[in-house]
Amino acid sequence: QKEVEQNSGPLSVPEGAIASLNCTYSDRGSQSFFWYRQYSGKSPELIMFIYSNGDKEDGRFTAQLNKASQYVSLLIRDSQPSDSATYLCAVRGSARQLTFGSGTQLTVLP
Amino acid sequence: IAGITQAPTSQILAAGRRMTLRCTQDMRHNAMYWYRQDLGLGLRLIHYSNTAGTTGKGEVPDGYSVSRANTDDFPLTLASAVPSQTSVYFCASSVTPTVGVGANVLTFGAGSRLTVL
Repeated sequence: QKEVEQNSGPLSVPEGAIASLNCTYSDRGSQSFFWYRQYSGKSPELIMFIYSNGDKEDGRFTAQLNKASQYVSLLIRDSQPSDSATYLCAVRGSARQLTFGSGTQLTVLP
Repeated sequence: IAGITQAPTSQILAAGRRMTLRCTQDMRHNAMYWYRQDLGLGLRLIHYSNTAGTTGKGEVPDGYSVSRANTDDFPLTLASAVPSQTSVYFCASSVTPTVGVGANVLTFGAGSRLTVL
C-alpha cells in the first residue's frame, strides 16, 4: 500500500460545479496535510494546509480532515476552467518529511 | 524576484556521464529538498538538507549525491547517469525543516527536465 493515495483521475466537472478531490494516508502519526496545485509543465504551488480535524476554508477551497479515517479531501466550489490542473496531496508523517500522492488530474469543462 | 532558481532547464545526457543540477534560493530558507517527478509516481524525495552543512537521504537517494556548503545553494549530482534517472527534478525549500507553521510549506523551483539516453 502506498503511503499517500489519490485517485489519478482524470476527474471532469462542469464549470460552476463542486470538485471533490480525495486522499488517504497510511501513517497514523501524520500531523500535517497539504494540497498543492500543479499546472501542466509547471512546478507545484501550495493551495492550503490543514492540521486539525474538521474543515478549513480559504475562498473557494475547503480542506477536510478526518484523522480517525486517515482521510483528507479538497473541495473546490464554483469550479472554473482555470482550476484545471493536477492536485497533489502531501502528508507530513512520523519521519517529519513530506510524502506526496501521485496526484489527481482535474478538468473543468466550460 | 525572490525564489528558487534551477539550472539547467532541460538537458539530454548520455548514460554514464556525470551531471550536476544546480539550485539556488534567495529567501534565506533553512531547509532545501530535491524531488523527482515521474508520471504516475508523483513527487519522490531524493535528498534533503535541514540546514547548511547537513544533508539527509530521502525515499530514492541511490545514484544521487548532494552538498550544502551554504544556505543558498543545494546542488544535486548524478555521478554516472542511467536511463532510469530520466525525470523532472524539482528543488524546493522551506523556512524551517521540521517544526512550526512553516515546516513543510514548500516553495518549488521551476524544475529541470533530464533525459538520459
